[in-house]
Amino acid sequence: AQTVTQSQPEMSVQEAETVTLSCTYDTSESDYYLFWYKQPPSRQMILVIRQEAYKQQNATENRFSVNFQKAAKSFSLKISDSQLGDAAMYFCAYRSAETSGSRLTFGEGTQLTVNP
Amino acid sequence: KAGVTQTPRYLIKTRGQQVTLSCSPISGHRSVSWYQQTPGQGLQFLFEYFSETQRNKGNFPGRFSGRQFSNSRSEMNVSTLELGDSALYLCASSWGQGKSGNTIYFGEGSWLTVV
Repeated sequence: AQTVTQSQPEMSVQEAETVTLSCTYDTSESDYYLFWYKQPPSRQMILVIRQEAYKQQNATENRFSVNFQKAAKSFSLKISDSQLGDAAMYFCAYRSAETSGSRLTFGEGTQLTVNP
Repeated sequence: KAGVTQTPRYLIKTRGQQVTLSCSPISGHRSVSWYQQTPGQGLQFLFEYFSETQRNKGNFPGRFSGRQFSNSRSEMNVSTLELGDSALYLCASSWGQGKSGNTIYFGEGSWLTVV
């Protein structure tokens, strides 16, 4: 079974600064997808960024980028130019590409605070 | 295009009762998954339905069940409610076909409180 670990329960960053959230995972599969989801106080899960394991290039979405280290099974999220609206709980998630289905395995989450 | 819609948003039930939650996926999506979110256990996968068939199931007791209709709408039912079933129940939908990393969209959730 796959597991996802987020070792930082809470993080804080100053507005306009950069912050990195950590995520490690364990799997015996070689084909999979990794995601970062954001959950604001409304509790709706919003996809931030996605990475396919077979792609060596790190995914980027505007101010959000990842550092994907497949051998180390590490998948960190970097938020640049942090904004007040980035404050939320962030979840790292894993999805197998070797089995059918859309099952996600989530980490414990990191609560991000953005200070003005 | 409408997003994933969950009803009801909030409900309070008494121990021993049963509850049914509903989820309407994004138009065209055939996969619907359910997750339970609690402060202690985090986000846990309940089950996934694709074309009216249960495709995956998490590690939950048989009191938790679900189904999917021909229009892809899904319901989950919890019978004989326990205090520990109090949680946010999230529904997610996706196209669901093939091995592609098609995006999984979530609804706003249904808050269940068991008293």
